[in-house]
Amino acid sequence: EAAVTQSPRNKVAVTGGKVTLSCNQTNNHNNMYWYRQDTGHGLRLIHYSYGAGSTEKGDIPDGYKASRPSQENFSLILELATPSQTSVYFCASGRDRGSAETLYFGSGTRLTVL
Amino acid sequence: TQTVSQSDAHVTVFEGDSVELRCNYSYGGSIYLSWYIQHHGHGLQFLLKYYSGNPVVQGVNGFEAEFSKSDSSFHLRKASVHWSDSAVYFCAVSSNTNKVVFGTGTRLQVLP
Repeated sequence: EAAVTQSPRNKVAVTGGKVTLSCNQTNNHNNMYWYRQDTGHGLRLIHYSYGAGSTEKGDIPDGYKASRPSQENFSLILELATPSQTSVYFCASGRDRGSAETLYFGSGTRLTVL
Repeated sequence: TQTVSQSDAHVTVFEGDSVELRCNYSYGGSIYLSWYIQHHGHGLQFLLKYYSGNPVVQGVNGFEAEFSKSDSSFHLRKASVHWSDSAVYFCAVSSNTNKVVFGTGTRLQVLP
């Protein structure tokens, strides 16, 4: 079965600090995604990648950067964390671009920015 | 741009009842529709999807969904729910050129 692992599971950061959320997948999928989940908004796409070395902006990229150094790893970086970035973050991987793609999700990272 | 709407934020039923979770979409071209389930504290898991053919698609654990082009809907149904079906359910839409877009989710609570 597909495996997507996120770390850390929980993170508390201070305003203005740098935060890195990590994601590792063992599915050999080309595509990886970062979403945030907030009450009333469902899942919103922050950044995504179609392969190692590439990243694309999603629907809400402001305040976030992404890095895809390898097929397996996809990081989300908050250079200057703000309280509005307090949320639950999910990483997902997928094999097919758009169309009939099925996404495989990690268990999430709960980030609190004080 | 495709959009997806889940009008019910919460649905409460008793164990053994049938349930329908509603999903409506808007998009003019060919689309793919999916349902995902999220148990508390976990990531989303794929349930089922539709692109073409039989408008009724079967998923895991007795779930099925029916596509209706005239109603722009893709409602999820289960004939007899179990307490373990309590979770948040997300409808999602995607097209050949666009990314997956999720609805806001419906929290299903199954009472004993």
